[in-house]
Amino acid sequence: DAGVTQSPTHLIKTRGQQVTLRCSPKSGHDTVSWYQQALGQGPQFIFQYYEEEERQRGNFPDRFSGHQFPNYSSELNVNALLLGDSALYLCASSLGRHSGELFFGEGSRLTVL
Amino acid sequence: SQKIEQNSEALNIQEGKTATLTCNYTNYSPAYLQWYRQDPGRGPVFLLLIRENEKEKRKERLKVTFDTTLKQSLFHITASQPADSATYLCALDRQAGTALIFGKGTTLSVSS
Repeated sequence: DAGVTQSPTHLIKTRGQQVTLRCSPKSGHDTVSWYQQALGQGPQFIFQYYEEEERQRGNFPDRFSGHQFPNYSSELNVNALLLGDSALYLCASSLGRHSGELFFGEGSRLTVL
Repeated sequence: SQKIEQNSEALNIQEGKTATLTCNYTNYSPAYLQWYRQDPGRGPVFLLLIRENEKEKRKERLKVTFDTTLKQSLFHITASQPADSATYLCALDRQAGTALIFGKGTTLSVSS
C-alpha cells in the first residue's frame, strides 16, 4: 500500500522563479492538504483540496496556488519565489475532509537563492 | 491572539525513564488534539488523537492526556528508548476537517 509520495525531493531555484511540487495521496484518500515547514518550526497550513476544489486556505499570499486532479493527486505552485519561501513543503492526505489523522509525505525541500 | 506552545525546544532523558512533553494553547477551543513524531528530514508521522470529551488515551508505551480547562495536553513515553529520539509535534483542530495548527515541536533525546 503506497503511502503519500511527493516529488521532487529536493530542488533549488532563484528568486523570481516559479516552482511546481507534486503529491500523490495514500491509496483510497481523497483529500490533500499542503503545509510549509521552515527550519525549526512546526508545519504551517497552506490549503486543502477536496473534490478538485480549494476548500480551506491558510494565511499565504496568492503567489501560492494549487490544483487537485480527478485521481486525487495534487500540485502546489509558487510564483515569484522569495528567499523566505525556502522550506520543506509537506503534502498530507486523508479520507474525507473531516478525518482527524493526516498521512504525510516525506516532503519537497525547496531552496531559493 | 491564538497560540499553541510546546514546553521546551529540547528534552534530554536517560533510557528507561518516562518522557513527558507539554502542549499548551490559548484562545482555541479544539475539537481534538493530535501528536505527531518527526524525524530529521522526514514528514511527520501520526501517533495519537484525543478528543475534547476524552481525558486520556493510550497506545503501547504512549499516553496522552487532554485538559480543556487548563488548555493543556501532556504526552508521555514510558520506558523510553534511544529509538524514541525525535521531534514531537502537537497539533490541534478547531473542528473536524479544519486545518491542523501545529506547535513548534519538542526535540527529545534519549541517551543509553
